[in-house]
Amino acid sequence: AQRVTQPEKLLSVFKGAPVELKCNYSYSGSPELFWYVQYSRQRLQLLLRHISRESIKGFTADLNKGETSFHLKKPFAQEEDSAMYYCALTGTFNKFYFGSGTKLNVKP
Amino acid sequence: GAVVSQHPSWVICKSGTSVKIECRSLDFQATTMFWYRQFPKQSLMLMATSNEGSKATYEQGVEKDKFLINHASLTLSTLTVTSAHPEDSSFYICSAELTLVQYFGPGTRLTVT
Repeated sequence: AQRVTQPEKLLSVFKGAPVELKCNYSYSGSPELFWYVQYSRQRLQLLLRHISRESIKGFTADLNKGETSFHLKKPFAQEEDSAMYYCALTGTFNKFYFGSGTKLNVKP
Repeated sequence: GAVVSQHPSWVICKSGTSVKIECRSLDFQATTMFWYRQFPKQSLMLMATSNEGSKATYEQGVEKDKFLINHASLTLSTLTVTSAHPEDSSFYICSAELTLVQYFGPGTRLTVT
């Protein structure tokens, strides 16, 4: 069965520190992986998807099929990065399955 | 582009009544929309997949007779919570798919008293 695991509920870092939000998945086929972000009082919005291989707001994520991971990384965290981050995968019938989310708190 | 709206943004209803929530894709057509439920401090739980012109596909454990979904056009899907009970109080979020990316509405806060 498909499953997305985000082991950290809360991650606190200081401004300028590197940040890595972990995401592991299980899926029998070839999923597409995404990171969505929800800033305070705003809707969920797409941050990045693995097939794009792009960097958005300094964030990158690499799909590691061997480790079934899709960790989100940023070398220097900013205060405005504070938000809820959700890892998601989509597979059959384009259904999305979300992880439980990680709250990132970037301290000044 | 790719904006999704929901109406209403919040609603309070009495136990036993029904309430309808609308989800619209404002600037694109969406053959597939999704409905989620989000409990406080928890992740999104997929409730159903709404397909334009056909019946919705419900996830296991979601009562289709309680959560009626209608996707009558390429820009509108509705979720009707029938005979609402206090345990149906939650945050309901819809999304519409465009090129395999889901675009989310702002959510609807339902409170059943």
